[in-house]
Amino acid sequence: EIVLTQSPGTLSLSPGERATLSCRASQTVSSSRLAWYQQKPGQAPRLLIYYVSRRATGIPDRFSGGGSATDFTLTISRVESEDFAVYYCQQYDTSPLTFGGGTKVEIK
Amino acid sequence: QVQLQESGPALVKPSETLSLICTVSGASTTTHYWSWIRQPPGRGLEWIAYIHYSGSTTYNPSLRSRVTISLDTSKNQFSLELNSVTAADTAVYYCARHDGLNADDYWGQGALVTVSS
Repeated sequence: EIVLTQSPGTLSLSPGERATLSCRASQTVSSSRLAWYQQKPGQAPRLLIYYVSRRATGIPDRFSGGGSATDFTLTISRVESEDFAVYYCQQYDTSPLTFGGGTKVEIK
Repeated sequence: QVQLQESGPALVKPSETLSLICTVSGASTTTHYWSWIRQPPGRGLEWIAYIHYSGSTTYNPSLRSRVTISLDTSKNQFSLELNSVTAADTAVYYCARHDGLNADDYWGQGALVTVSS
């Protein structure tokens, strides 16, 4: 099983600041099948990024994904008020599919 | 647009079977994979299983002995059964469409299932 470790656990930022979220895999995600989701309280997760760096439909271009092998990042270029939420990475390369523990982006 | 909706009992007794149905609209279950994912209160996400439109299934080994996922393309629905439940199975259960390239691109709103006597 591929274990995904997200850091930091919580990121405190002011609107307009840059957010960099990390996701580290215990094994190489060989097919680049790495996704990022945003979840707000009481809502289902929403797909932001798939295949490491491709934005899902309707996702603003301030969100970008990168990385390879075992180290991946989600960057929000300038955080807006609607971006305060929990973010999860997911690998869908190898069964069982697994999620990271999440990073909470909160208002500073 | 694609929509998914979970339905089923909100309360299940310990040792009994949790049963949920996901009804899909705006897309056909004769394509893609269809997933179940759960989230215990205040915690992270756990993938349970998915089923391919051909009927082939893949399960999380941690739950494999207790889970069955099935597909009814005539009703455009898929379902989850989890037997011998305990309090540890209390969670919000989500259904989602899974694409081999595009990950889980559409999700239901989630159904909270509580295991309690």
